[in-house]
Amino acid sequence: DIVMTQSPDSLAVSLGERATINCKSSQSVLHNSNNKNRLAWYQQKPGQPPKLLIYWASTRESGVPDRFSGSGSGTDFSLTISSLQAEDVAVYYCHHYYSTPYTFGQGTKLEIK
Amino acid sequence: EVQLVESGGGLVQPGGSLRLSCAASGFTFSNYWLHWVRRVPGKGLVWVSHINSDGRITNYADSVRGRFTISRDNAKNTLYLQMNSLRAEDTAVYYCARSDDGLDSWGQGTLVTVSP
Repeated sequence: DIVMTQSPDSLAVSLGERATINCKSSQSVLHNSNNKNRLAWYQQKPGQPPKLLIYWASTRESGVPDRFSGSGSGTDFSLTISSLQAEDVAVYYCHHYYSTPYTFGQGTKLEIK
Repeated sequence: EVQLVESGGGLVQPGGSLRLSCAASGFTFSNYWLHWVRRVPGKGLVWVSHINSDGRITNYADSVRGRFTISRDNAKNTLYLQMNSLRAEDTAVYYCARSDDGLDSWGQGTLVTVSP
């Protein structure tokens, strides 16, 4: 099984500042068929289902603000929020869909400093 | 608008069974792979199972293989999860989700509590 490890487990950032969450997979999730990384990022707020933010490691889902961006390839990935807004307080998860089981990272709790 | 609505959760004793349903609308159900994902209280997300568009391909997490069965009825636009031999560690909110380059639509979830 591919193990997804996020860092840090929690993060406090001031409003308007940059927040970066890292995700490392235990093996590459770069798919040979299309040379794309099968890696997604989700945001989950209390009492709500997860929301897809980023897929193929760097493609922003429709309707997601452009302050959210994803980067990385192979085994190392990052989610960056360029200017933190109050509504971005949530838990963020990385997730691979390279091969079953499609595992998630343990989550990173993002708060306002 | 894409909608996924789970039902069937509840309180069940260890060793018992439940069947979850996920009713879909707003998209061509038979075109999509579908998943079950659970969130354990106070912990993170865990992928449980998925099924391909015509129901012929299924996969499971090791923790549920042999106890849970995923299925779908494309005529009824409904996804199912039959859960047998339930354990305390199966207690979670269960979400159904549609996949299309990531899990792009999710239901609100249904709570399953396994307790004596």
